[in-house]
Amino acid sequence: ETGVTQSPTHLIKTRGQQVTLRCSSQSGHNTVSWYQQALGQGPQFIFQYYREEENGRGNFPPRFSGLQFPNYSSELNVNALELDDSALYLCASSLLQGFGYEQYFGPGTRLTVT
Amino acid sequence: AQRVTQPEKLLSVFKGAPVELKCNYSYSGSPELFWYVQYSRQRLQLLLRHISRESIKGFTADLNKGETSFHLKKPFAQEEDSAMYYCALKPGNAGNMLTFGGGTRLMVKP
Repeated sequence: ETGVTQSPTHLIKTRGQQVTLRCSSQSGHNTVSWYQQALGQGPQFIFQYYREEENGRGNFPPRFSGLQFPNYSSELNVNALELDDSALYLCASSLLQGFGYEQYFGPGTRLTVT
Repeated sequence: AQRVTQPEKLLSVFKGAPVELKCNYSYSGSPELFWYVQYSRQRLQLLLRHISRESIKGFTADLNKGETSFHLKKPFAQEEDSAMYYCALKPGNAGNMLTFGGGTRLMVKP
């Protein structure tokens, strides 16, 4: 267990508001990915950050944005929240091992938009 | 674009029975395939990947490029195998972007 942490555990927001979710990777993990998991579905890739720059993005609008910091923490920001944004948000940090990158997932943040 | 399909939402078997969780994918290049597992009240974790060709907790999975499948198998299911299982694909040239299937809940009955 590499101890990827996320905060908060859960939160409730109103449609139109903005939200910031946080993730703390383990030291040495230079890549962080964010996923959205709607109820009853598999995780969907939002974007990935490598050495503080976005270097991959899934099919999500620009109101989903992120930051990665030198201390290996990262943020996911969502503006103009919509009801469909209600989901579990997962971050995963990566460490190059053997055959390639293995992603270590955090416990997730449950976002409810009302 | 790539796609991963897990046709069964729920698979229920008795302890000691063989298990096969199906995973089919579509991708035009050479993908890397993974199985992730989520036990009750635990986080998502890697179970195995096709590149390493290893057996983890008695589970194996073989990549069949002809049938574009990566089914997860175990000859004798145990109650502690009960969990959500997700098949995931990583395009060969796309960093760590994983495309997940919808997941299969495995229930192993005593």
